[in-house]
Amino acid sequence: AQSVTQLGSHVSVSEGALVLLRCNYSSSVPPYLFWYVQYPNQGLQLLLKYTSAATLVKGINGFEAEFKKSETSFHLTKPSAHMSDAAEYFCAVSDGSGNTGKLIFGQGTTLQVKP
Amino acid sequence: EPEVTQTPSHQVTQMGQEVILRCVPISNHLYFYWYRQILGQKVEFLVSFYNNEISEKSEIFDDQFSVERPDGSNFTLKIRSTKLEDSAMYFCASRRAGGVYNEQFFGPGTRLTVL
Repeated sequence: AQSVTQLGSHVSVSEGALVLLRCNYSSSVPPYLFWYVQYPNQGLQLLLKYTSAATLVKGINGFEAEFKKSETSFHLTKPSAHMSDAAEYFCAVSDGSGNTGKLIFGQGTTLQVKP
Repeated sequence: EPEVTQTPSHQVTQMGQEVILRCVPISNHLYFYWYRQILGQKVEFLVSFYNNEISEKSEIFDDQFSVERPDGSNFTLKIRSTKLEDSAMYFCASRRAGGVYNEQFFGPGTRLTVL
């Protein structure tokens, strides 16, 4: 069975500092991995995805993530945090062997950006 | 830009009552999903729907739940007899045809409160 673990339910950084949100996955088949962001009172919006092409994936709003098979990780980073990055971030895995495409989510990480 | 819409944004109901949560997926999408998020917990998969039938459902999706695509545009989730533990945010999502790596687009959610 697939699973996702996000280390740290709450991360706080200063504006301009590096953002690092951690995600580890477990999958018996090559995974497809996603990062979604949820702003208050809004739905989940895709930041980026890994689909077995390049291991370093660039997404919207300056975010990127690196797929590391040896570490079963897909950590999300941004070089310089902005106040508008404050939100809930979810890592998710999709089973590539099936055809439903259901997403298995991690617990989520709340990012706080301090001025 | 096309988006997934959900109504109502907030539904309050008495335990034992039936509720119907409504979603309008993006028009050219073929795969539809319901997820839920109990307050403070992770987003959980409920059911996927393709070609007018359920393609996969989770253990949560018991006989009290049903889904329907009644008219080619709406996608509904019905809970026949609500329980206190059904209180959660319910998200609808849709994706286009093709591989499961294609992005799922999420609606803003319906907050269901069961009293």
